[in-house]
Amino acid sequence: DSGVTQTPKHLITATGQRVTLRCSPRSGDLSVYWYQQSLDQGLQFLIQYYNGEERAKGNILERFSAQQFPDLHSELNLSSLELGDSALYFCASSPRDADYEQYFGPGTRLTVT
Amino acid sequence: AQTVTQSQPEMSVQEAETVTLSCTYDTSESDYYLFWYKQPPSRQMILVIRQEAYKQQNATENRFSVNFQKAAKSFSLKISDSQLGDAAMYFCAYRSAGYQLIWGAGTKLIIKP
Repeated sequence: DSGVTQTPKHLITATGQRVTLRCSPRSGDLSVYWYQQSLDQGLQFLIQYYNGEERAKGNILERFSAQQFPDLHSELNLSSLELGDSALYFCASSPRDADYEQYFGPGTRLTVT
Repeated sequence: AQTVTQSQPEMSVQEAETVTLSCTYDTSESDYYLFWYKQPPSRQMILVIRQEAYKQQNATENRFSVNFQKAAKSFSLKISDSQLGDAAMYFCAYRSAGYQLIWGAGTKLIIKP
């Protein structure tokens, strides 16, 4: 158990809908990262937050948005969902004194039908 | 832009033997980190080993060790005394100056009993 929690574990929804994925970092970690993993592929970096502020952006679609709240949990919002958005979405957090390491949550499996 | 390449989609090894997974990367940076992550069927992303580019000594974690060749931009993972629990997808990842991880496509490791 990495200490990073993600909810829900599984999500099944229809095309055109909107969903919110939630992540709680390890206690004391300020950085949160979001990644997308399509079937049996490597992870694609979406976005990073540090202490509530956006720090880096990857290949995140305009239909996707994220935020980090004052209690440091983060949410990833996916809207106008398409079949191709079906994937495993990971959240990771980094410790303050070792920001080169990322600890991953169990992921949220999103299926768009 | 940095890239990470894993040229072996699948590898198999007999239980108790040694296997080496390959990874090459491309970067113009001089200071960076490299990682190997393991993803078992549970889909949890587990950090196996880390290498700092400024360190010449190869990292070792129990049965796992790396062969880091900075000039050749090569970062291979050696697993000694392979065990059935080592069966998983293995991903090589590069940490850029922008903090996010850049991932290879993964190598599926099969352990034969």
